[in-house]
Parts: sequence; C-alpha cells; structure tokens
Amino acid sequence: NAGVTQTPKFQVLKTGQSMTLQCAQDMNHNSMYWYRQDPGMGLRLIYYSASEGTTDKGEVPNGYNVSRLNKREFSLRLESAAPSQTSVYFCASTSDRGPNYGYTFGSGTRLTVV
Amino acid sequence: AQSVTQPDIHITVSEGASLELRCNYSYGATPYLFWYVQSPGQGLQLLLKYFSGDTLVQGIKGFEAEFKRSQSSFNLRKPSVHWSDAAEYFCAVDRLQGGSEKLVFGKGTKLTVNP
Repeated sequence: NAGVTQTPKFQVLKTGQSMTLQCAQDMNHNSMYWYRQDPGMGLRLIYYSASEGTTDKGEVPNGYNVSRLNKREFSLRLESAAPSQTSVYFCASTSDRGPNYGYTFGSGTRLTVV
Repeated sequence: AQSVTQPDIHITVSEGASLELRCNYSYGATPYLFWYVQSPGQGLQLLLKYFSGDTLVQGIKGFEAEFKRSQSSFNLRKPSVHWSDAAEYFCAVDRLQGGSEKLVFGKGTKLTVNP
C-alpha cells in the first residue's frame, strides 16, 4: 500500500548512543517532515525538507540532524541521545498544494532514552 | 506568535451526547485547516480538512467542522458520541511560508466517553 514507512517502530537507547530513524514514502511527494510528539505538547516540527537536496529547521531542531537522501527518503539522526529525546517520532510527506492536498503520516517510532 | 490553540485539554461526555471541540488559530490569512484523531498507541488519522468554499465541512465517522473567519476558529462537532470516539483530537493549521508548507498542531484535546 502506498504511504509513509518508518523504521524502526520501537527503540531503546542508552544516553550518548546514536541512531538514525528511517522514513520512506512512495507517493512521489516533494515535501517531507519529522515531528516529535510528547504528552500535552501535540506534535512539534523538528526538521523538514521542501524538496530533494534541501532541509530546514523546524520548531525543535536541537540535538537532531537530517538527510534527504533522495526524493523518497528522509532520515533523522540523533548523534548523542539524551533522555529529553524520549518521544514518539512521526515522519510525514505531502504533495504540492492542490485539490487533494494533505499530509500522510507514518505509524511512528517510539524511542526511549535511558 | 503564530499558534494553534485548543483550549480544552480534557473533555468528558456521555455516550450519545453531542460534542464540540474548540480550535483557534492566530494566523492572519485563511490557512488550510485539519482535524486529526489519535487512539492510544496509534498514529494519526485525518478526520476532515478545510481549504476554501463552504465553511461547514463533513468528515469521516460522523464528524463535521465549521470554519469561522471572524473568530479564527475551526471547531469540530459530532451530534452523538460513541464510546469508540474516545481518543485524542488534534487541530492543525497548514501555512505556506517562505515557499514551504508547514503543519502546526495544537496541543490536543483528550476525549473520554462515559457509558
């Protein structure tokens, strides 16, 4: 089925470890996003990519890096994980604005940093 | 600051009662507006969206929302709530800014449904 695929679904890290969250979409969307969700905070934008080869900071970028590897893939890297990065991470993509415009979200990655 | 406000953190209703979840935004122009629902441990499901035209929009699961420009509001309603509607609801506003679309979320309203 067409959509946004995130891996892994669950991950436990020790403080200071690094990891990369993977996201891929097969809808030929130009724009891709990484959000984090914390209780009582809604979803907050970490980084986004408006097109292949471009990335930009969102609301909460500190402690993260991203790579738009190609049009399909947008990865999020934690270089040195901290307990404050314990969260649920969602990747999303969207096409350019038009009649069927909308965001497609992945199923999320639940990350715990101990 | 540009923001999306959901004034009610938690709402409890009885099954069969009507429901209204509030959402206000502070952007100047008419943005694209969305409502999502999230069941515990699950991802986001789109309920409905508003871009332009008729200010009353119908969504899935019997939900509707009304855009009121004068009040900068996009409230979600359902005439009769079912126990399966218990979930968290997020209002979101999409803005085209600097050539890029960004989706900004409210902090959510958790709905509890009593039998």
